[in-house]
Amino acid sequence: QQQVKQSPQSLIVQKGGISIINCAYENTAFDYFPWYQQFPGKGPALLIAIRPDVSEKKEGRFTISFNKSAKQFSLHIMDSQPGDSATYFCAALSGNTGKLIFGQGTTLQVKP
Amino acid sequence: NAGVTQTPKFRILKIGQSMTLQCTQDMNHNYMYWYRQDPGMGLKLIYYSVGAGITDKGEVPNGYNVSRSTTEDFPLRLELAAPSQTSVYFCASSYRRVGQPQHFGDGTRLSIL
Repeated sequence: QQQVKQSPQSLIVQKGGISIINCAYENTAFDYFPWYQQFPGKGPALLIAIRPDVSEKKEGRFTISFNKSAKQFSLHIMDSQPGDSATYFCAALSGNTGKLIFGQGTTLQVKP
Repeated sequence: NAGVTQTPKFRILKIGQSMTLQCTQDMNHNYMYWYRQDPGMGLKLIYYSVGAGITDKGEVPNGYNVSRSTTEDFPLRLELAAPSQTSVYFCASSYRRVGQPQHFGDGTRLSIL
């Protein structure tokens, strides 16, 4: 119930293409869904986040789509660039416990 | 503005040794966290703190201890190092409510041999 399942594990996209990473959860107590971006040798950095009362949030080329009924949310990176090559983690925060549960991560490679 | 600073960056320990991973933040955040990251896995919460003098267990606390005597510092202690504790350790902090780490350090890569 505390799991967040992320897919795919790895993703290769051409420059200018759309990168899509999906996450699913089971616990309905989750009430905050952030995405983190991590470059090699660095800590994760908060990229964008959404609450379940919103179906979509966009910040620049990054969009979160949220489907509350399906308990799924996804990250879309439009016009993907080589500089976007990194590992991306979705996460979900439990309003009951205050603990953040991370997905397994997706390694994105954007080819020039 | 340094953010979250972790030391050391790398360390090799022998089984049974002990050490302390240091973490300090200069953003006056109340909330601080310790995570471990294993290959192909997401981050797992070890311990967290909601303020000086207050700590609580996360998902994987066994084999670790923490203390929070000041707002700035949140050290993580390994008492009897075991191979299963080989991992990359991240410290994080946040201004908002517990569970929303917004600022991570660059990690400590720890190997137990």
